[in-house]
Amino acid sequence: QVQLQESGPGLVKPSQTLSLTCTVSGGSISSGGYYWSWIRQHPGKGLEWIGYIYYSGSTYYNPSLKSRVTISVDTSKNQFSLKLSSVTAADTAVYYCAREIEGSYLDYWGQGTLVTVSS
Amino acid sequence: VIWMTQSPSLLSASTGDRVTISCRMSQGISSYLAWYQQKPGKAPELLIYAASTLQSGVPSRFSGSGSGTDFTLTISCLQSEDFATYYCQQYYSFPRTFGQGTKLEIK
Repeated sequence: QVQLQESGPGLVKPSQTLSLTCTVSGGSISSGGYYWSWIRQHPGKGLEWIGYIYYSGSTYYNPSLKSRVTISVDTSKNQFSLKLSSVTAADTAVYYCAREIEGSYLDYWGQGTLVTVSS
Repeated sequence: VIWMTQSPSLLSASTGDRVTISCRMSQGISSYLAWYQQKPGKAPELLIYAASTLQSGVPSRFSGSGSGTDFTLTISCLQSEDFATYYCQQYYSFPRTFGQGTKLEIK
């Protein structure tokens, strides 16, 4: 059974960089066939897809966030990470990591972590 | 970007009812559509993929239909555990996009 777990600071100051890590267990990121994804949900709102990384390091970002987003992978630790720069209060959200079957649907999700942007 | 219009945003129903949620695309996506259920404080869970294929372990009272631009999620004979928020999502193209969500509440 694949499990994903987000970790990182729950509070980030405006203009700083939000950094989260997703640790994958029960399966190897290096096995291929999956897009390792980040999705966020503003409080009380819907879901926004942020982007994905493949085990090889190739990425795709949502154009609405592309200028501020970096997703990276560490296959040795079976982790992938999200960095979002120049954050504002509008970036306050629950951030989820998830696994997308390559070119398909999201079949496993982390539990989510709330990140609040505030001074 | 493919835009999605999900309706209704709020649906009131009673246990035992049959309900339908609609998802309309701004362009055709064949059958590249998934439905998710989200309960308060929890991550979304996959219900249906390829528009009509039930994920393993999902009760048969859930069903999906449609292709192209119009899709439907139907829940027959609502159970208490079905009261939640439902999202559609297209995986035809990037960026992936979600519907706005339908909150299914007890009448």
